[in-house]
Amino acid sequence: QKEVEQNSGPLSVPEGAIASLNCTYSDRGSQSFFWYRQYSGKSPELIMSIYSNGDKEDGRFTAQLNKASQYVSLLIRDSQPSDSATYLCAVNRGSTLGRLYFGRGTQLTVWP
Amino acid sequence: EAGVAQSPRYKIIEKRQSVAFWCNPISGHATLYWYQQILGQGPKLLIQFQNNGVVDDSQLPKDRFSAERLKGVDSTLKIQPAKLEDSAVYLCASTRSYEQYFGPGTRLTVT
Repeated sequence: QKEVEQNSGPLSVPEGAIASLNCTYSDRGSQSFFWYRQYSGKSPELIMSIYSNGDKEDGRFTAQLNKASQYVSLLIRDSQPSDSATYLCAVNRGSTLGRLYFGRGTQLTVWP
Repeated sequence: EAGVAQSPRYKIIEKRQSVAFWCNPISGHATLYWYQQILGQGPKLLIQFQNNGVVDDSQLPKDRFSAERLKGVDSTLKIQPAKLEDSAVYLCASTRSYEQYFGPGTRLTVT
């Protein structure tokens, strides 16, 4: 079983729609969870971090964490063509400064 | 605040040659990471430094890869000799606590 798994893409949504990206992780002791956005040919850019169960909202982005189900999700409201990118889920298994385990990413396309 | 700096941005070498990458982390970030990202995959950790000490190098192919972080700031990652499967983007990241910030990466092509 892989450490971090993301829903297979690509995901395509129309402009203005809600994009839903999902991620599951295998280590029940994981403490910190992150979503990175990666444009083609660029490096990952941190867009959300979440540490406790529930929802965390930042502008059009909402991260949701359910540790009991070992599930993390990212919702993008009012999707824009500029949101088209690969979204990487990353998990820190417990150490504050420890490595991140990444999923393979979900490619999102927002069409006008 | 300046971000993580890396150089070179691109490198093309032949197999069995050597190559080195450089990283300068965000000022004040004591922890530095090198990740390898193969096309279509998420980044994979190669080595983690805390100041100038190695914390985790369990995934570093030590027969060909080496890394150092002198004086606890800049870091270099070296590959010698390179193999075709080393073609990837090499990402440097740094952190002060939980959130890791990535540099622009070095795209390596081994022919």
